[in-house]
Amino acid sequence: KQEVTQIPAALSVPEGENLVLNCSFTDSAIYNLQWFRQDPGKGLTSLLLIQSSQREQTSGRLNASLDKSSGRSTLYIAASQPGDSATYLCAVEASEFGNEKLTFGTGTRLTIIP
Amino acid sequence: EAEVAQSPRYKITEKSQAVAFWCDPISGHATLYWYRQILGQGPELLVQFQDESVVDDSQLPKDRFSAERLKGVDSTLKIQPAELGDSAMYLCASSGGSSDTQYFGPGTRLTVL
Repeated sequence: KQEVTQIPAALSVPEGENLVLNCSFTDSAIYNLQWFRQDPGKGLTSLLLIQSSQREQTSGRLNASLDKSSGRSTLYIAASQPGDSATYLCAVEASEFGNEKLTFGTGTRLTIIP
Repeated sequence: EAEVAQSPRYKITEKSQAVAFWCDPISGHATLYWYRQILGQGPELLVQFQDESVVDDSQLPKDRFSAERLKGVDSTLKIQPAELGDSAMYLCASSGGSSDTQYFGPGTRLTVL
């Protein structure tokens, strides 16, 4: 059974710093990996999706990398801003009993200190 | 921009009562998902529909939960009777077309007293 782990569970950094969030997964037979953002009490917003054949994806100040063989992904946020404060979740899509399924990590709660 | 709609946004109920949540996916999305997210955890899939058919309900507690998508468009998730442990955020998502991306609605926050 796929398991997704995110470390650290919480992170606080001063505004302007670059930071890295980590995600690891136990089964490398995945279709893709996604990073989501969740604001308190709200739904999820997809930030980046990396197909299993890709190594990285970039969107603005965000860069996500994928090393499928080692079961790891990182989300790099450059020049952090207070508006980046949120919980960041990674999820892997894989086949389970013939159906494609997203398995989520428990998230990293990020606080950017002004 | 098209969005996934959910209602109600918040629901407070007493245990043993029945509750129902509604989801309207992005137009044209054939796949619809219901997730449950307990505070401090990631979402867990409860049920997945492809059009009007259930393709995965392995994690749905079928003794008290039911889900339907009769016309392959909007969907309803029902809990009867509700238990204290059902307090959580219930998220609906949809996907379709050439993209694998799942688009999430704002969720329904359920509190069972």
